[in-house]
Amino acid sequence: NAGVTQTPKFQVLKTGQSMTLQCAQDMNHEYMSWYRQDPGMGLRLIHYSVGAGITDQGEVPNGYNVSRSTTEDFPLRLLSAAPSQTSVYFCASQDRYNEQFFGPGTRLTVL
Amino acid sequence: LAKTTQPISMDSYEGQEVNITCSHNNIATNDYITWYQQFPSQGPRFIIQGYKTKVTNEVASLFIPADRKSSTLSLPRVSLSDTAVYYCLVGERFYTGGFKTIFGAGTRLFVKA
Repeated sequence: NAGVTQTPKFQVLKTGQSMTLQCAQDMNHEYMSWYRQDPGMGLRLIHYSVGAGITDQGEVPNGYNVSRSTTEDFPLRLLSAAPSQTSVYFCASQDRYNEQFFGPGTRLTVL
Repeated sequence: LAKTTQPISMDSYEGQEVNITCSHNNIATNDYITWYQQFPSQGPRFIIQGYKTKVTNEVASLFIPADRKSSTLSLPRVSLSDTAVYYCLVGERFYTGGFKTIFGAGTRLFVKA
């Protein structure tokens, strides 16, 4: 089992560019989520999904889109990157016992 | 969603027992309490979860009083490698078994030799 994988590990964007952060899990978990973590801060929930075809907004959804066409994949799209989106992004999936498994993170810098 | 309050930081020495208390005054009937550990440059890792009374696993214990308005994570005999940020989460459970959870700022535990 690879668990939760995220790509890329690092990314630098210019303001206004768009990109997709990839997240995949091989544990057949229904629930997946995206968080961002700013330096010295806790994690903030961006979007989450309770199953294929079902997504909902978290605490800080503005500027991000998600879709869930398969159980395995949950990509996060930045529509028009802004310096305020510079952060570390974590994807997580959750089992039926409510334990969340986190990916290694993507460090994003927006210039 | 119930918010949580934890101490910002704690210091300890190797071999000591560390207790980190989390306050969650507005916890709902269906909410569970979960603790995660995070090392620098890594995603959080699940430590323990409970609903009421006491839960123990191989790495920690979780104490939850009857009113459930607080909880205490107990780490027995900490080592330098336990230096990390510890998050207390309170969240509801959906029909699919998923949580919609809120991470607070966490407690930075620093273990000294």
